[in-house]
Amino acid sequence: AQSVAQPEDQVNVAEGNPLTVKCTYSVSGNPYLFWYVQYPNRGLQFLLKYITGDNLVKGSYGFEAEFNKSQTSFHLKKPSALVSDSALYFCAVRDNQGGKLIFGQGTELSVKP
Amino acid sequence: GAGVSQTPSNKVTEKGKYVELRCDPISGHTALYWYRQSLGQGPEFLIYFQGTGAADDSGLPNDRFFAVRPEGSVSTLKIQRTERGDSAVYLCASSDYNSPLHFGNGTRLTVT
Repeated sequence: AQSVAQPEDQVNVAEGNPLTVKCTYSVSGNPYLFWYVQYPNRGLQFLLKYITGDNLVKGSYGFEAEFNKSQTSFHLKKPSALVSDSALYFCAVRDNQGGKLIFGQGTELSVKP
Repeated sequence: GAGVSQTPSNKVTEKGKYVELRCDPISGHTALYWYRQSLGQGPEFLIYFQGTGAADDSGLPNDRFFAVRPEGSVSTLKIQRTERGDSAVYLCASSDYNSPLHFGNGTRLTVT
């Protein structure tokens, strides 16, 4: 069965510093991987996806993610964090049996001025 | 354009009552998904429609939960004999072939 794990419940970063939010996956076959962001009392917003091709995927709001097959990881990164990046971040993998996404538990990112 | 719309945004009901939650997907999106999110957790899959039919309902927790999409557009999630443990945010998402899921803002259900 497909699954993703987000090992950190919370990540704290100072504004202007680089940030990384970690995700590892377990799939049979080729992984289709996604990152979503959730602001308070809102639905999830799509940030980026990896289907195939370049291991470095660029997405919305300056975020990018690096696909690493040998480490089965898909970490989310941003070179310079903003206070407005503070939110919940979810990694997800697409189920091989259909279109549904399977989400991780989420990581709360807090960026302090 | 318009995104995924979910109504109501908040619903408070008494234990044992019946509730319906509505989802209006993005126009033209053939796939529609329901998820449930409890506080501090990731979204948990409930059911997925391709057109009018349920392609995967493996996430429905028990037979008190049912969902329909009779015309392949609007969907209704129905919960019978609600329990306090059903309290959560119910998220709906839609997508077209190969597009990411687009989520609504959710319905916060509170069972008292």
